[in-house]
Amino acid sequence: ILNVEQSPQSLHVQEGDSTNFTCSFPSSNFYALHWYRWETAKSPEALFVMTLNGDEKKKGRISATLNTKEGYSYLYIKGSQPEDSATYLCAPGVVGGNEKLTFGTGTRLTIIP
Amino acid sequence: DGGITQSPKYLFRKEGQNVTLSCEQNLNHDAMYWYRQDPGQGLRLIYYSQIVNDFQKGDIAEGYSVSREKKESFPLTVTSAQKNPTAFYLCASKPGTGAYEQYFGPGTRLTVT
Repeated sequence: ILNVEQSPQSLHVQEGDSTNFTCSFPSSNFYALHWYRWETAKSPEALFVMTLNGDEKKKGRISATLNTKEGYSYLYIKGSQPEDSATYLCAPGVVGGNEKLTFGTGTRLTIIP
Repeated sequence: DGGITQSPKYLFRKEGQNVTLSCEQNLNHDAMYWYRQDPGQGLRLIYYSQIVNDFQKGDIAEGYSVSREKKESFPLTVTSAQKNPTAFYLCASKPGTGAYEQYFGPGTRLTVT
């Protein structure tokens, strides 16, 4: 089982501020890195799937970067809004792992209006 | 509407009884997954199936069983051998092999007393 760390565990951010959080994972045998957003009482929803070192992806105000050589990914949220309140999960997969993902414990983000 | 359904939303059972959780998808996805979530932990993979009539153990398969007789269905049985069955169970699917995002169902909360 991979060791996946997400930090911080929780975060309170004022509406309108920007924020970011980290996912760290073993860099060996890297295959893909997934980010999911999980809002309370809803299903986890995919944000990004990233595979290449140096990849940057963007969806609206949310973006992510990937460093596979050192084993980390950053998720950025620009101009936080109340609807951004959720738990953000990252999940790396490894080559030869039969496409299994290992999920981190998540960063719980609360936006303060 | 395409999606994944899990039923029931809440399930209560007495200790020693087997219980089956339903997962159905109409997305025509080949791969399906079962995860378990416990407080303070990431989603942990129980079983997964990449194709009909085939499935593999995940990281915490002990005390669980699955079947994949139809593409759209992947039921999970929690047996009496599972020592700590009370948890939130999530089912997911994805189109097939490759770095595709997973689509999640709404989950079933199982309480065993």
